Amino acid sequence: GENVEQHPSTLSVQEGDSAVIKCTYSDSASNYFPWYKQELGKGPQLIIDIRSNVGEKKDQRIAVTLNKTAKHFSLHITETQPEDSAVYFCAATKGTGANNLFFGTGTRLTVIP
Amino acid sequence: GAGVSQSPRYKVAKRGQDVALRCDPISGHVSLFWYQQALGQGPEFLTYFQNEAQLDKSGLPSDRFFAERPEGSVSTLKIQRTQQEDSAVYLCASSPGTQRNTGELFFGEGSRLTVL
Repeated sequence: GENVEQHPSTLSVQEGDSAVIKCTYSDSASNYFPWYKQELGKGPQLIIDIRSNVGEKKDQRIAVTLNKTAKHFSLHITETQPEDSAVYFCAATKGTGANNLFFGTGTRLTVIP
Repeated sequence: GAGVSQSPRYKVAKRGQDVALRCDPISGHVSLFWYQQALGQGPEFLTYFQNEAQLDKSGLPSDRFFAERPEGSVSTLKIQRTQQEDSAVYLCASSPGTQRNTGELFFGEGSRLTVL
């Protein structure tokens, strides 16, 4: 089955700095790679996603890059703000057309004011 | 409300008791998922429904776990003879897409189960 690895497990940055979280996956058939943000006591919420036919996608301060050859993808947050503090999860589909996801183990991001 | 609703939010059970966790998905969403999230871990897939059909139950850890969605809307996850290792947050998610159309999952806030 799919195996998604995520690094780092914790990340602290100063407000205004950038944060980068990296993930690798094992199943070359995976075709959909979302990132979810989970605040304390809440369910995960989609913040950005990328499909296998796109190398990079940006939405305001958030961007995701995908390298299918190397089977890794990354989340980039620029100009971080205290409200960005949360746990971030990457995920990958089990295979082409599948509609359930394999999640990474999460990165706890702390933005220091 | 417009989101996915789960109940109860917190459940404490004695080992050996049966529990039932309820999920009200977003109205009209075809797909419904159950995930298990252990402390400090990412969500792990349990089972998937497309309307009332349970198309994938490969993630259910044992035959003590059972899920249903009889009318293609509300779903119940039942755990029989609970064990301490069942302690986790159980997340429900729904999606307007089908199994062949991967899309955004909308998660509820979860039901935190503690087995003593």
